[in-house]
Amino acid sequence: NAGVTQTPKFQVLKTGQSMTLQCAQDMNHEYMSWYRQDPGMGLRLIHYSVGAGITDQGEVPNGYNVSRSTTEDFPLRLLSAAPSQTSVYFCASRGLGTDLSGGYTFGSGTRLTVV
Amino acid sequence: AQSVTQLDSHVSVSEGTPVLLRCNYSSSYSPSLFWYVQHPNKGLQLLLKYTSAATLVKGINGFEAEFKKSETSFHLTKPSAHMSDAAEYFCVVRYSGAGSYQLTFGKGTKLSVIP
Repeated sequence: NAGVTQTPKFQVLKTGQSMTLQCAQDMNHEYMSWYRQDPGMGLRLIHYSVGAGITDQGEVPNGYNVSRSTTEDFPLRLLSAAPSQTSVYFCASRGLGTDLSGGYTFGSGTRLTVV
Repeated sequence: AQSVTQLDSHVSVSEGTPVLLRCNYSSSYSPSLFWYVQHPNKGLQLLLKYTSAATLVKGINGFEAEFKKSETSFHLTKPSAHMSDAAEYFCVVRYSGAGSYQLTFGKGTKLSVIP
């Protein structure tokens, strides 16, 4: 099925552990991004990428790393998890170009709890 | 800084009555505006989008929104609420220029529908 696939859907980590949240899309979208959602805060941008080999920071990048080695994949790494990173994480993608009509596709989210 | 403000964190309506969810954005040339809906424990679904065509935008499930540049508003309305409309709604803006693929989310409005 075409779309954005996030794995895992749920994860519990202990403080200090590391893990990678996976995001893959099969729509050949150049732009990919990671958001975190916290109650009463909406979604805040963590990192984004406009193509393979190109990444940049968003509003809340601290504690997270990303890389973009292929167009399809955009993993988010937590090197040393902290309770403040307990959140729901969404990956989103869209194609670049002159069309400003949106076209963002969101994954179904990863619910992460850090204890 | 780019921003979007959802004026109500929680709105409660009776089934069959009108819905009004309010959103204001910081003024900028040619913003693109979106409304997304998130049902409990689900991902984000695009309701509608404004991209400088008609100022009255019709979306899915009977929702519509009107872009008012003079008021920098993009309020979401529906004539008659249904129980299935109970969800959280996000007003989202994307500005032209540098970083134009980044979305800025409002903090969300939780809509409750009373039978």
